[in-house]
Amino acid sequence: DTEVTQTPKHLVMGMTNKKSLKCEQHMGHRAMYWYKQKAKKPPELMFVYSYEKLSINESVPSRFSPECPNSSLLNLHLHALQPEDSALYLCASSQVDLIAYNEQFFGPGTRLTVL
Amino acid sequence: KQEVTQIPAALSVPEGENLVLNCSFTDSAIYNLQWFRQDPGKGLTSLLLIQSSQREQTSGRLNASLDKSSGRSTLYIAASQPGDSATYLCAVRRSGGSNYKLTFGKGTLLTVNP
Repeated sequence: DTEVTQTPKHLVMGMTNKKSLKCEQHMGHRAMYWYKQKAKKPPELMFVYSYEKLSINESVPSRFSPECPNSSLLNLHLHALQPEDSALYLCASSQVDLIAYNEQFFGPGTRLTVL
Repeated sequence: KQEVTQIPAALSVPEGENLVLNCSFTDSAIYNLQWFRQDPGKGLTSLLLIQSSQREQTSGRLNASLDKSSGRSTLYIAASQPGDSATYLCAVRRSGGSNYKLTFGKGTLLTVNP
């Protein structure tokens, strides 16, 4: 299995809602990432988990809350989002040993719309 | 600060042409460079990964080269097909500091016309 899966594919939420994005991989990768991509822009790194621990937070607002419950799963909990948070949210994974040399594999993304 | 530039921003070619996409980066202290393909509204598909010690990588009709000292990479696509139409992104991973991070270019939108 060489893929990263993400659910849901599309999500529409109001500014007062609480929702979660889910990412799963079964490649044995112990580094997992969340990226945000606005239309016609490159992806921007949000969070990195290494061995289920948060390693990098790229100064992301607290209304985004990541969670890595086990080595295969990565969640992104959303609360009190703003319309400008509407974007494609991408999950990625890679091997963690010698992380700098490793290829990142991306999921298909969740298209989020905040009303 | 690493900056990645991709030229051209958009390219339209007839089917069957060979083509070259360009990527340049300002800081040559990198571990590797990765080329991706992205279809509209979809995730990224990894095409090729070139380590800093390598000069090129090949996969099928794709060939990527890397000249680290000059801060350049090219992606060569042979015998282009309409199915190659997509946005192509290059990304570099810097050495030292936060080497988890990929710095992306803005991409080249490729259209291959039948």
